[in-house]
Amino acid sequence: AQSVAQPEDQVNVAEGNPLTVKCTYSVSGNPYLFWYVQYPNRGLQFLLKYITGDNLVKGSYGFEAEFNKSQTSFHLKKPSALVSDSALYFCAVRDPGGYQKVTFGIGTKLQVIP
Amino acid sequence: SQTIHQWPATLVQPVGSPLSLECTVEGTSNPNLYWYRQAAGRGLQLLFYSVGIGQISSEVPQNLSASRPQDRQFILSSKKLLLSDSGFYLCAWRAGLAGFYEQYFGPGTRLTVT
Repeated sequence: AQSVAQPEDQVNVAEGNPLTVKCTYSVSGNPYLFWYVQYPNRGLQFLLKYITGDNLVKGSYGFEAEFNKSQTSFHLKKPSALVSDSALYFCAVRDPGGYQKVTFGIGTKLQVIP
Repeated sequence: SQTIHQWPATLVQPVGSPLSLECTVEGTSNPNLYWYRQAAGRGLQLLFYSVGIGQISSEVPQNLSASRPQDRQFILSSKKLLLSDSGFYLCAWRAGLAGFYEQYFGPGTRLTVT
């Protein structure tokens, strides 16, 4: 069975500093990996995905993520945090053989401090 | 461009009452459709998914049901609500063609069962 772990319940970072939100996964075979962001009382917004190819993927709003197969990780990063980046971030994984089911992590709350 | 709608935005219902939440997608054909529930503002639980009209798969046995009467319409229902049905319900779609991987979420419906 596929699973996702987001080990940090909350991440605090000062505005202008780099940020990292961690994600590790477990899946049989090569994974499809995703990051989504959720603002309060809103639906999730797609940020970026890794399907195949370059391990560093770039997404919306200046975010990027690095796929590391040996460490089974897919950490979300941004070089310079903005206060408006404060939100709930979800990592998700899909087994290529599992046609429909995407497993989401429990979410990490990012707080950017002015 | 594609748009996903959900209504109502908020709903307060007494225990034992029926439920009907509606989701519609515009700007695409034959999408894969999903219902999720988010409890306590964190992790997402997949409830149902559909790959076509009348085709519904259930992930979690409970007192909820789903229907897809039209290509771009997905309905979540219950005959008798329980207190535990309270939560934030999210509808999502994904292009039904090969090579499309990410899901796009609606704005959500916040359901409070009293």
